[in-house]
Amino acid sequence: GQNIDQPTEMTATEGAIVQINCTYQTSGFNGLFWYQQHAGEAPTFLSYNVLDGLEEKGRFSSFLSRSKGYSYLLLKELQMKDSASYLCAVMDSNYQLIWGAGTKLIIKP
Amino acid sequence: TAGITQAPTSQILAAGRSMTLRCTQDMRHNAMYWYRQDLGLGLRLIHYSNTAGTTGKGEVPDGYSVSRANTDDFPLTLASAVPSQTSVYFCASSDTTGVYEQFFGPGTRLTVL
Repeated sequence: GQNIDQPTEMTATEGAIVQINCTYQTSGFNGLFWYQQHAGEAPTFLSYNVLDGLEEKGRFSSFLSRSKGYSYLLLKELQMKDSASYLCAVMDSNYQLIWGAGTKLIIKP
Repeated sequence: TAGITQAPTSQILAAGRSMTLRCTQDMRHNAMYWYRQDLGLGLRLIHYSNTAGTTGKGEVPDGYSVSRANTDDFPLTLASAVPSQTSVYFCASSDTTGVYEQFFGPGTRLTVL
């Protein structure tokens, strides 16, 4: 079956760095997405990886290892507004997104 | 640019009643999707449409139907609502070239009593 695993909740301190991991098993692979979702709002796109390696975009970076079925999202210089859920999703062979349950990130001052 | 709009924002519905959730996009995206999001679960695909005139079933299609008469609109109908359909429903759209990034509407919070 298809499966996306990520931690349910993480806590970090304002100004620090946090890494959110995601492991996956899917039928086919056409890329991995990270989305941010603030409480009561819609998910918004953060990053996309289709090749192995690190993609950096400002304070956010995303890493992919296809051979290990593994990705992480790295958030630097954490701000209170980063408190949100972070959703990992894999695009399968049918170009459909398979979603993880999300990681709720709590930022403390 | 509005992007994707959904209506209504929220609704309380009696079990057994029917309801249509509306979704409209102005980005001329080929593909559109309906998801439901429940606490502790990932987004689950209900139905999708890769292009106007075609639809497909997702992971949890039972009790729901869709139509795609044109590029912009993708309504989701619950023919006879049941309490297990209480959820937040998100409509999304994407282009079918390049990254396939999905853009989401603001969601409809539906409670079935």
